[in-house]
Amino acid sequence: EVQLVESGGGLVKPGGSLRLSCAASGFTFSETWMSWVRQGSGKGLEWIGRIKRKVDGELTDYAAPVRGRFTISRDDSENRLYLQMNSLKIEDTAVYFCVTGLGKGDLDFWGQGTLVTVSS
Amino acid sequence: DIVLTQSPDSLAVSLGGRATINCKSSQSVLHSSKTKDSLNWFQQKAGQPPKLLIYSASTRESGVPDRFSGSGSGTDFTLTIDSLQAEDVAVYYCHQYDNTPPTFGQGTKVEIK
Repeated sequence: EVQLVESGGGLVKPGGSLRLSCAASGFTFSETWMSWVRQGSGKGLEWIGRIKRKVDGELTDYAAPVRGRFTISRDDSENRLYLQMNSLKIEDTAVYFCVTGLGKGDLDFWGQGTLVTVSS
Repeated sequence: DIVLTQSPDSLAVSLGGRATINCKSSQSVLHSSKTKDSLNWFQQKAGQPPKLLIYSASTRESGVPDRFSGSGSGTDFTLTIDSLQAEDVAVYYCHQYDNTPPTFGQGTKVEIK
């Protein structure tokens, strides 16, 4: 059974940092591109970035609002995906989903999400 | 970036009725192979993550009831829910992955009339 379990969310002050983690199981993690998508309260879905496989150079892409502040990384030995968030802003408040593509697009399967609240 | 515009923003349908949601793309999302459209549909119920319903514009994901169907190609797509059930109350999103960044429509909220 495919599972994605996010952790690391919480309350952080503007300008602060937070690191999210996603534990993956049930599929060959090293063979898939992994993404993060966020959703503000009552709002739509916003893709924030992805990391490709090692064979693809583990290249990363980021959405403009987070580029230069957020960094995505992966540990294939641990089947884990990470999102390092720096210089956090109030508008980064959202539920952050770990998402993978299993052959039906880039974002087939979603974790339950973890809430990040940026507030003073 | 490719902009996906859904219509309507919300709709109320009677139990057993039909719901039709449209998604218009600012540019074609037909894959370079010309064999499929890089357009998926998701269902998101309250408090849950999005769930894949339809991929490649018209292929139903395994386990999805056959009352859900997708159609369209290029820039215009439709999600149809026939014989609406109470458990279909949700927000529905179209999503393109043909171009980076992947983008989503703004969502369509489906309720029971």
